[in-house]
Amino acid sequence: DAGVIQSPRHEVTEMGQEVTLRCKPISGHNSLFWYRQTMMRGLELLIYFNNNVPIDDSGMPEDRFSAKMPNASFSTLKIQPSEPRDSAVYFCASSMGRGSGNTIYFGEGSWLTVV
Amino acid sequence: AQKITQTQPGMFVQEKEAVTLDCTYDTSDQSYGLFWYKQPSSGEMIFLIYQGSYDEQNATEGRYSLNFQKARKSANLVISASQLGDSAMYFCAMREVPAGGGNKLTFGTGTQLKVEL
Repeated sequence: DAGVIQSPRHEVTEMGQEVTLRCKPISGHNSLFWYRQTMMRGLELLIYFNNNVPIDDSGMPEDRFSAKMPNASFSTLKIQPSEPRDSAVYFCASSMGRGSGNTIYFGEGSWLTVV
Repeated sequence: AQKITQTQPGMFVQEKEAVTLDCTYDTSDQSYGLFWYKQPSSGEMIFLIYQGSYDEQNATEGRYSLNFQKARKSANLVISASQLGDSAMYFCAMREVPAGGGNKLTFGTGTQLKVEL
């Protein structure tokens, strides 16, 4: 079975450019998460969707970040304009339900470098 | 306040030995889940094991077991018969579903495990 699929795997971009990260959750999963991982801050939840609806975006750092989930099989995380401090690994994850027992499965991550 | 605490930034273990990675947590919810993930140097996050707050038995998955002590709020990971491929960063995480809504998997800072010959 295909896991969570993220693209691009690696991206290097110049400061000020727009960056779009993409995610395809596991089929049948109705909860989707975007996480960011940095050395300084560890793993941080950015936003959580349930049934395509954003439920908690309190972790989104600022207005430069936006996320959408137009359907059950696709989500994007956009940074505009990008800054060097946005350099991080961005993980998309999904789970089958909202319950505390539902395992959250991660994609392989998108490694973003902003120069 | 830290919700998940992993006090061991780094651990060494000899091949074929068992190792325990510590994790303590803090929550006021009655229903929650505790997870361990492995992150090798390649970067992916691999799910290892899960323990529910109402589970009376400690979870086991192959060489992984979770030593769940609810009263102490600890959920230590035990890896038996360590292998070189176990060298990785290990994260403890807690999933909460508050009554008011939302859903969150909160991670600890991780323990870097190195398995030596």
